[in-house]
Amino acid sequence: QSVLTQPPSASGTPGQRVTISCSGSSSNIGSNAVNWYQQLPGTAPKLLIYSNNQRPSGVPDRFSGSKSGTSASLAISGLQSEDEAGYYCAAWDGSLIGRVFGGGTKLTVL
Amino acid sequence: EVQLVESGGGLVKPGGSLRLSCAGSGFTFSNAWMRWVRQAPGKGLEWVGRIKSKTDGGAIDYAAPVKGRFTISRDDSKNTLYLQMNSVKTEDTAEYYCTWPGPTFDYWGQGTLVTVSS
Repeated sequence: QSVLTQPPSASGTPGQRVTISCSGSSSNIGSNAVNWYQQLPGTAPKLLIYSNNQRPSGVPDRFSGSKSGTSASLAISGLQSEDEAGYYCAAWDGSLIGRVFGGGTKLTVL
Repeated sequence: EVQLVESGGGLVKPGGSLRLSCAGSGFTFSNAWMRWVRQAPGKGLEWVGRIKSKTDGGAIDYAAPVKGRFTISRDDSKNTLYLQMNSVKTEDTAEYYCTWPGPTFDYWGQGTLVTVSS
């Protein structure tokens, strides 16, 4: 059981907009920044969003993040086949004194 | 170019020990807070622990499942991060990644696979 809750799967067709949710609590998302990672099959995770809604250099603006209260979400617009991957949210948890991850969402591009 | 290269993975028996290494280059390793993250086959990401830089006090934090069995350390003269794994269990089987997290970035190594099996 992951501390942060994500849907196990999501899907969309090319060009669509999809949203992946991440639910936590006051000790993690509620009081700390959220990062999002993309993991392509067989590769290490890559930072997609940091500080809730900031994109590292090189990440397309099709990817956006938001946070409200104890929940966060990742939106992908103009879905492309290469977006098919696993997506993970993460935040520091002040009660557990550790970083916590969501269980991951496998995105399928139909 | 920032590079993180893990090594030391392999097959180990339950109750055994293994030491993982992570060599960093392309950045000032001694100033970096470093982290270990693992991923069991077909599963999600799990934070293992982190070590702060010596200038920031060098504190080390561990996830509950590994506390008391795993030890994170660093040798700044060799730009290397370590993960000493003792009393390993089958549930420790995973790809182990070292990462360098920062305010606007998060670099990851390619990972090293640890398999715990008799």
